[in-house]
Amino acid sequence: QSALTQPRSVSGSPGQSVTISCTGTSSDVGAYNYVSWYQQHPGKAPKVMIYDVSERPSGVPDRFSGSKSGNTASLTISGLQAEDEGNYYCCSYAGSYVFGSGTEVTVL
Amino acid sequence: QVQLVQSGAEVKKPGASVKVSCKASGYTFTSYDVNWVRQATGHGLEWMGWMNLNANNTRYAQKFQDRVTMTSDTSISTAYMELSSLRSEDSAVYYCARGGYNYDFDNWGQGTVVTVSS
Repeated sequence: QSALTQPRSVSGSPGQSVTISCTGTSSDVGAYNYVSWYQQHPGKAPKVMIYDVSERPSGVPDRFSGSKSGNTASLTISGLQAEDEGNYYCCSYAGSYVFGSGTEVTVL
Repeated sequence: QVQLVQSGAEVKKPGASVKVSCKASGYTFTSYDVNWVRQATGHGLEWMGWMNLNANNTRYAQKFQDRVTMTSDTSISTAYMELSSLRSEDSAVYYCARGGYNYDFDNWGQGTVVTVSS
């Protein structure tokens, strides 16, 4: 199973919004509403930010939101803050799991 | 609180095997799956497989099917991942992650660095 496709990097100024896309196929992203997103800071373990396409775990700020259209899922960070800088990975369940290639978010 | 504590760093020679442990606390161990995910330096996350602790069955990613074995000792709430026939490309940080009820990974271990070098 090939990795889901994400942009290598996105950037924005504090307070702006950024959106990260995650493109799969009709066998993974398009087939199930089981897309999750993970934030990872350097040297740290990943942390779940979104599950089931658009649900936020308790404690995750509401400036993080998720959506899906067809075979592409998206993570939007509104009101970008310095602590949002890091790497973000999408993940889709499709009988097994496949991660995205990862996107580096830079706060300018 | 939920905690997953992994074993320490390992250095192995090519062709050897490595076994990483993941001790869980703060929840009923057998009520959740344990997944294993690895990350080579400077690379992304790669799912290796999961173990259903209640049914004691496993599912492995096709890439690792022939070399990985996931086991558990429920008496001490510990899961294990053994990878055999190691090669340099297996050098990575290996994470255990609890499989949440929503097809996500809701808690992660701190990671175990495995270095494969002659």
